[in-house]
Amino acid sequence: AQTVTQSQPEMSVQEAETVTLSCTYDTSENNYYLFWYKQPPSRQMILVIRQEAYKQQNATENRFSVNFQKAAKSFSLKISDSQLGDTAMYFCAFLSSGTYKYIFGTGTRLKVLA
Amino acid sequence: GAVVSQHPSWVICKSGTSVKIECRSLDFQATTMFWYRQFPKQSLMLMATSNEGSKATYEQGVEKDKFLINHASLTLSTLTVTSAHPEDSSFYICSARDQTLNTEAFFGQGTRLTVV
Repeated sequence: AQTVTQSQPEMSVQEAETVTLSCTYDTSENNYYLFWYKQPPSRQMILVIRQEAYKQQNATENRFSVNFQKAAKSFSLKISDSQLGDTAMYFCAFLSSGTYKYIFGTGTRLKVLA
Repeated sequence: GAVVSQHPSWVICKSGTSVKIECRSLDFQATTMFWYRQFPKQSLMLMATSNEGSKATYEQGVEKDKFLINHASLTLSTLTVTSAHPEDSSFYICSARDQTLNTEAFFGQGTRLTVV
């Protein structure tokens, strides 16, 4: 069974600084997807970034980038130039290309400080 | 991007009554829909998966007679919490995907259920 582990329950970062959120996962599959979702106080799940396992190049979306280490089963999220609006719960998620079921990590609560 | 609309956003019901939550895909055909439950400060836990026209597949530990799921059309799935009790109070989120497009699922905005 797949598992997703986020070892940082809470983190804080100063506005304009950079922060990295950690995520590790376990799977025996070779083809899968990894995601970072943001959940602000509204509870709406917002896709931050996605990574296909077959792609070696790390995904980037503006201020958000990932460090995908397939062999190590690690998928960290780097947020550059942190903004107050980045304050939210962040979930790392694994998506099986077979079942298309998401497995979510326990989340990291990020607070950006002014 | 694909839009999934969930209704209502919040609902309060009396203990013992049933409440229905709707999940609609607005601009794509949702061949598969997923229902999640999220307790405060916790992660999303998958409750069940439903394919259009088929019976839902429930995750282990989820009572299928308690949480009735109907996916009668390609744009609508409903979750009915029957004989609700205070312990059923939670945040319920649906997601939907088009299997033919081989994409990830898209999430609704969630429904906060409070049973009093």
